[in-house]
Amino acid sequence: AQSVTQPDIHITVSEGASLELRCNYSYGATPYLFWYVQSPGQGLQLLLKYFSGDTLVQGIKGFEAEFKRSQSSFNLRKPSVHWSDAAEYFCAVGHPHGNKLVFGAGTILRVKS
Amino acid sequence: DSGVTQTPKHLITATGQRVTLRCSPRSGDLSVYWYQQSLDQGLQFLIQYYNGEERAKGNILERFSAQQFPDLHSELNLSSLELGDSALYFCASSVDTGPSYEQYFGPGTRLTVT
Repeated sequence: AQSVTQPDIHITVSEGASLELRCNYSYGATPYLFWYVQSPGQGLQLLLKYFSGDTLVQGIKGFEAEFKRSQSSFNLRKPSVHWSDAAEYFCAVGHPHGNKLVFGAGTILRVKS
Repeated sequence: DSGVTQTPKHLITATGQRVTLRCSPRSGDLSVYWYQQSLDQGLQFLIQYYNGEERAKGNILERFSAQQFPDLHSELNLSSLELGDSALYFCASSVDTGPSYEQYFGPGTRLTVT
């Protein structure tokens, strides 16, 4: 069965510092991988996705993620965090021939000024 | 604004009751997904409908049911409610079925069972 692990429940970074949120997945083949962001009181918004090809994918709001098959990881990065990035971030995996998404537990990002 | 609307935003009800959550997908989207977000279970897929037909089922309890109507809006029915059903329920829609099609999420309905 597919599963997603986000090892960090909370992360605090200073505004302007770089950010890396970790995501590991368990899946037999190359999955479809996603990062979503949820701001307080809001629904989820897709930041970026990986299906195949270039393992470094660019997303919205200056985020990028790198797929590393050997490590079963899909970590999210941003070179310089803004206070408005404070939110909860979810990594998700989807089966190429399925329909549902399996989400990780989420990482809450706090940005300190 | 994702274009997906959900009503009501908040719902408070008592144990044993039945409620209906409503979702209107983005214009043109044929696929509707329901998710439950709770503190202990996280974000879990419940069920998917595509053009009126059930397409995939996840961890949905037998007390819960859903349907998608000809105008493509969807309803999630929760019955014999228990305290543990308190959660945020999201609807998402996509233009077609399959994970390669981006799912757009609504703002959610927060259900509180007392």
